[in-house]
Amino acid sequence: DAKTTQPPSMDCAEGRAANLPCNHSTISGNEYVYWYRQIHSQGPQYIIHGLKNNETNEMASLIITEDRKSSTLILPHATLRDTAVYYCIVGGKKAAGNKLTFGGGTRVLVKP
Amino acid sequence: ETGVTQTPRHLVMGMTNKKSLKCEQHLGHNAMYWYKQSAKKPLELMFVYSLEERVENNSVPSRFSPECPNSSHLFLHLHTLQPEDSALYLCASSQDRVNLPYGYTFGSGTRLTVV
Repeated sequence: DAKTTQPPSMDCAEGRAANLPCNHSTISGNEYVYWYRQIHSQGPQYIIHGLKNNETNEMASLIITEDRKSSTLILPHATLRDTAVYYCIVGGKKAAGNKLTFGGGTRVLVKP
Repeated sequence: ETGVTQTPRHLVMGMTNKKSLKCEQHLGHNAMYWYKQSAKKPLELMFVYSLEERVENNSVPSRFSPECPNSSHLFLHLHTLQPEDSALYLCASSQDRVNLPYGYTFGSGTRLTVV
């Protein structure tokens, strides 16, 4: 599975959009991009995933570049409860034993 | 509740004890996973079960022994652990499907302290 690179930390202001970048330059054609977040001492929570088109759900938007080598997770109106570690992961598709490999993620601090 | 329930939430055990962590999923998924998260470290994948068969064992010491009796239940049996095994142990499940994405649902974890 391809590796990802994320900034270790970032701050954002409450009520503003938070844009979280992720580089995945070695992504292969059948690998999805997944985003999860982990609030302190809880299990990671799924946010969104995409293959090549931009995606949006009630939590966030995912923008994937045309060459698929990078992506950006957008939290449109950050709240204090969005303070968490955000993980960008790429993974392939197999018939069995699919796995997600977590890196260090980006520690996001939403400030009032 | 996420649909994946882990018990107990907290566990303190001595190095000579034997204990088990339990994970139960109510999502109809066919794959289950154990992860370990030590302080200040990324999540480490320990074991992968798909259709109740262990398909991956990431060089985990034998003092950790997984068991998957059916697709809804996963156990992690612990014996003669070391203090450095103290960590948050997370269970996850997913629906393995060929050529389709496989989002994980995680439980809340068991905070293990070995004394």
